[in-house]
Amino acid sequence: QKEVEQDPGPLSVPEGAIVSLNCTYSNSAFQYFMWYRQYSRKGPELLMYTYSSGNKEDGRFTAQVDKSSKYISLFIRDSQPSDSATYLCAMTLYNQGGKLIFGQGTELSVKP
Amino acid sequence: KAGVTQTPRYLIKTRGQQVTLSCSPISGHRSVSWYQQTPGQGLQFLFEYFSETQRNKGNFPGRFSGRQFSNSRSEMNVSTLELGDSALYLCASSFPGNNYGYTFGSGTRLTVV
Repeated sequence: QKEVEQDPGPLSVPEGAIVSLNCTYSNSAFQYFMWYRQYSRKGPELLMYTYSSGNKEDGRFTAQVDKSSKYISLFIRDSQPSDSATYLCAMTLYNQGGKLIFGQGTELSVKP
Repeated sequence: KAGVTQTPRYLIKTRGQQVTLSCSPISGHRSVSWYQQTPGQGLQFLFEYFSETQRNKGNFPGRFSGRQFSNSRSEMNVSTLELGDSALYLCASSFPGNNYGYTFGSGTRLTVV
């Protein structure tokens, strides 16, 4: 069993929809949680990060962490065709920031 | 501000050969990590370097090695290439002690034939 499980998708939504992306993890020692976006033929780009349970909002994006359930989510409001990409959750232990453990990634397609 | 630069972008090698990939981190970043990305296994951590010392290592065979130079540039080497080593190899850099905010390069696409 992988340490981080992510809904594989692919996910196809119409423009303007609310998108929900999710990951579960098994290691309760994970302390830092991130969401990366990866466009085709590019490296992952950090979208959001957090270390505490609760919600964190940045524009159209909201990251949610529930440490008691070992579950994290990313919500995208008013999705745009430019949001079409692969979304990867990642997490790391305290003081091991260079060793990210990634989910498998969810491929998202937003149709105009 | 220049990003993380990886060279070469694409590489084709024959089984049994060895390969060296290069990564130049963002200026001021002294921590460099390497990852392998494949469709089947996703993104997997290879190793991390800080101040020319390997600080963390993933679960890869000894054929995979790396090093970091005094200017923080890093190289990774894969010896005795196997077909299964075909992947996108990504380098990421950050300030030391940063638990998130790692910036990735665009990667080197290695194909082993």
